[in-house]
Amino acid sequence: KNQVEQSPQSLIILEGKNCTLQCNYTVSPFSNLRWYKQDTGRGPVSLTIMTFSENTKSNGRYTATLDADTKQSSLHITASQLSDSASYICVVRRGRGNFGNEKLTFGTGTRLTIIP
Amino acid sequence: EAQVTQNPRYLITVTGKKLTVTCSQNMNHEYMSWYRQDPGLGLRQIYYSMNVEVTDKGDVPEGYKVSRKEKRNFPLILESPSPNQTSLYFCASSLGGANTGELFFGEGSRLTVL
Repeated sequence: KNQVEQSPQSLIILEGKNCTLQCNYTVSPFSNLRWYKQDTGRGPVSLTIMTFSENTKSNGRYTATLDADTKQSSLHITASQLSDSASYICVVRRGRGNFGNEKLTFGTGTRLTIIP
Repeated sequence: EAQVTQNPRYLITVTGKKLTVTCSQNMNHEYMSWYRQDPGLGLRQIYYSMNVEVTDKGDVPEGYKVSRKEKRNFPLILESPSPNQTSLYFCASSLGGANTGELFFGEGSRLTVL
């Protein structure tokens, strides 16, 4: 069964500290994995995409990693800021070829709170 | 500006009073979808549409209807709302074809059914 599991469910850290969010998936065949950031009461916005051949990708203070062998991805946030407080959702796309509805599997997200 | 627009953003209604949440995108996307988001459950898909006049059920379609008469619009209809449909709703769109599957979300519509 195609599943995406994220951990932890919630995380509270002090401003300025680093943190790492985890995403494990059983989706097969794998196409890509995307991390979305969702601010409270807003729609999710894509942060980064990881394809099969990519191990690490950075977007400012966000660094995503992918281990396609173990089917794990992580999102590392460096020097956290109050604006990083949000939910982070991992979404995995299955298969190749044309995009279709059946191809996306969502994680339930990690709720990150940064405290001053 | 490329965007997905939902209306209304906030709505309080009573049980049984029909309502429609509109969704419009200006990116010429083929794929559109509706989700509801409830605490602890993440995003759950209600209905989706692969193109004009093509719609299908998602994971939680009961109590909802949709239509796709034009490419840009994908309204969500609650014929007889009930309190268990109180939720935060998101519309999203994506390019069809051989693309990465990135979803572009609207700002959300918070619905309360009394």
